[in-house]
Amino acid sequence: AQSVTQLGSHVSVSEGALVLLRCNYSSSVPPYLFWYVQYPNQGLQLLLKYTTGATLVKGINGFEAEFKKSETSFHLTKPSAHMSDAAEYFCAVTLYSSASKIIFGSGTRLSIRP
Amino acid sequence: GAVVSQHPSWVICKSGTSVKIECRSLDFQATTMFWYRQFPKQSLMLMATSNEGSKATYEQGVEKDKFLINHASLTLSTLTVTSAHPEDSSFYICSARTASGGVEQFFGPGTRLTVL
Repeated sequence: AQSVTQLGSHVSVSEGALVLLRCNYSSSVPPYLFWYVQYPNQGLQLLLKYTTGATLVKGINGFEAEFKKSETSFHLTKPSAHMSDAAEYFCAVTLYSSASKIIFGSGTRLSIRP
Repeated sequence: GAVVSQHPSWVICKSGTSVKIECRSLDFQATTMFWYRQFPKQSLMLMATSNEGSKATYEQGVEKDKFLINHASLTLSTLTVTSAHPEDSSFYICSARTASGGVEQFFGPGTRLTVL
């Protein structure tokens, strides 16, 4: 069975600083991995996804994540934080199967200090 | 492309009444739709998986008689919360997977349900 662990329920960084949100997964077979962002009272928006191929994945809004199989990690980064990045971020995992569910991490709230 | 809508975006109802939430895929056909529940400051909890033309598959602990799910067409799934109580107040989010396959789910904007 798959699982996702997000380290840190709340991360606060200064505007312009590096953003690093941590995600570790557990899966018995190669997983598909996702990062979603959720703004207050809204649904989820896909930031980026890893399926196969290049392990460094670039997404929207300047975010990127690197799949590291040896570390079972898929950390999300952004070189320079903007105030508009303040939101809830969810890491998620699934397997390639029409019946596979997406398993979400517990989420990390990102705050940006002026 | 791949837009999912939900209606209503928010609803307030009295305890004991039933509330229906619609989830539509606007520009694609969705053979599978998912319903999630999200409590404040928590992650999404999968309630059920809905396949067009068949009965929904509910997750353990989710009462299927309380949360009725209908997926009558390739673009519409509905969730009816029957005899709602204050503890049913939550944010309900649907998602849809395209008929062409793949693992990605496209999420609706969510429906905020408040039961008085």
